[in-house]
Amino acid sequence: KNQVEQSPQSLIILEGKNCTLQCNYTVSPFSNLRWYKQDTGRGPVSLTIMTFSENTKSNGRYTATLDADTKQSSLHITASQLSDSASYICVVTLKAAGNKLTFGGGTRVLVKP
Amino acid sequence: DVKVTQSSRYLVKRTGEKVFLECVQDMDHENMFWYRQDPGLGLRLIYFSYDVKMKEKGDIPEGYSVSREKKERFSLILESASTNQTSMYLCASRLGQKNQPQHFGDGTRLSIL
Repeated sequence: KNQVEQSPQSLIILEGKNCTLQCNYTVSPFSNLRWYKQDTGRGPVSLTIMTFSENTKSNGRYTATLDADTKQSSLHITASQLSDSASYICVVTLKAAGNKLTFGGGTRVLVKP
Repeated sequence: DVKVTQSSRYLVKRTGEKVFLECVQDMDHENMFWYRQDPGLGLRLIYFSYDVKMKEKGDIPEGYSVSREKKERFSLILESASTNQTSMYLCASRLGQKNQPQHFGDGTRLSIL
């Protein structure tokens, strides 16, 4: 069973609307939690990183939140654009085990005009 | 900007062939990684290297080997390709510090017939 679960698996939104992606994790203790964006046919690119003590981090129209008590993170996309169509991957870095990364399965977002 | 270059975007090989996937990074990063990405499974770590001539097994090393003779180059080798190794392969590099992001190449889509 994957220790980082993302939901939904996919979603379709209209251009200009907001959306929120969820990430629940069971790995502990963790060093940091990162959200990556992966465009079709490209490698993932880091969007945000949060350590255990941080609960929000923004990168332009992307805002990530972290609740370490409930072990949940979310990525909020504001005023979506066609270029936001991509897969979004939640990644948790373990504090032990050589800083191993545990990847979620991703959420595929399609923004329609 | 960090550039991670994978030698082939698409590759088709036959069962039993020895296959080489090459990855080069231009930012003098100490750490390099090989992943495979399959639908619904997320990224899974095959092998990684902390320095030249060093290699460590990841979560799914069976059927693969690696070579790191120079700092900038990390090669993944499929000793005897099998159909279950058909996948997207992603290479990544990272500075030595644990909170630094991994920088990914654009992937090699490998089909084994």
